Amino acid sequence: TQLLEQSPQFLSIQEGENLTVYCNSSSVFSSLQWYRQEPGEGPVLLVTVVTGGEVKKLKRLTFQFGDARKDSSLHITAAQPGDTGLYLCAAPARQLTFGSGTQLTVLP
Amino acid sequence: EAGVAQSPRYKIIEKRQSVAFWCNPISGHATLYWYQQILGQGPKLLIQFQNNGVVDDSQLPKDRFSAERLKGVDSTLKIQPAKLEDSAVYLCASSLAGRTSYNEQFFGPGTRLTVL
Repeated sequence: TQLLEQSPQFLSIQEGENLTVYCNSSSVFSSLQWYRQEPGEGPVLLVTVVTGGEVKKLKRLTFQFGDARKDSSLHITAAQPGDTGLYLCAAPARQLTFGSGTQLTVLP
Repeated sequence: EAGVAQSPRYKIIEKRQSVAFWCNPISGHATLYWYQQILGQGPKLLIQFQNNGVVDDSQLPKDRFSAERLKGVDSTLKIQPAKLEDSAVYLCASSLAGRTSYNEQFFGPGTRLTVL
């Protein structure tokens, strides 16, 4: 059983559409991170959320940490082809543990 | 600032052969990590070093995998002998010393290993 469940696994949308991806767990975390990974590259940290209910914005990306600190969401407004990539959530357990990711494709 | 360097970028070997990967972390980063990322999955930590000491190797298959970080800088990860299920991308990351949950990890581009 995965500690972090991400959904959907795959998402293909048209440029300009909005989307939300989710990261869920039955465990409570002290913090949660979101990474983006492009083909042939390593993951790059987008944001760290640490407080239940916290909302952080990074240009067109909005990250929310659940009130109970068990889940998180990433919302992208007006998606662009440059947003294409694998979005991974990660949380500290015994070590930093990653979900399986959401593979996002934004079509021009 | 130079990022995390890894080589080779790609490696194809036959099962039961040996292979080694090299990582040069960001200058000044005391903590170094090796991850295995199987296609369709997120990275899984294999081993974590703090300077040249091992902090966590609980998920390293020690019967075939080994890693070292001599002088607390560069690191090598070795697989001997390789199995088909070792086909994956091997990512190296580094961070400043401190708590994992708050310290940003910087990843290299990875080595894609194919075992035939």
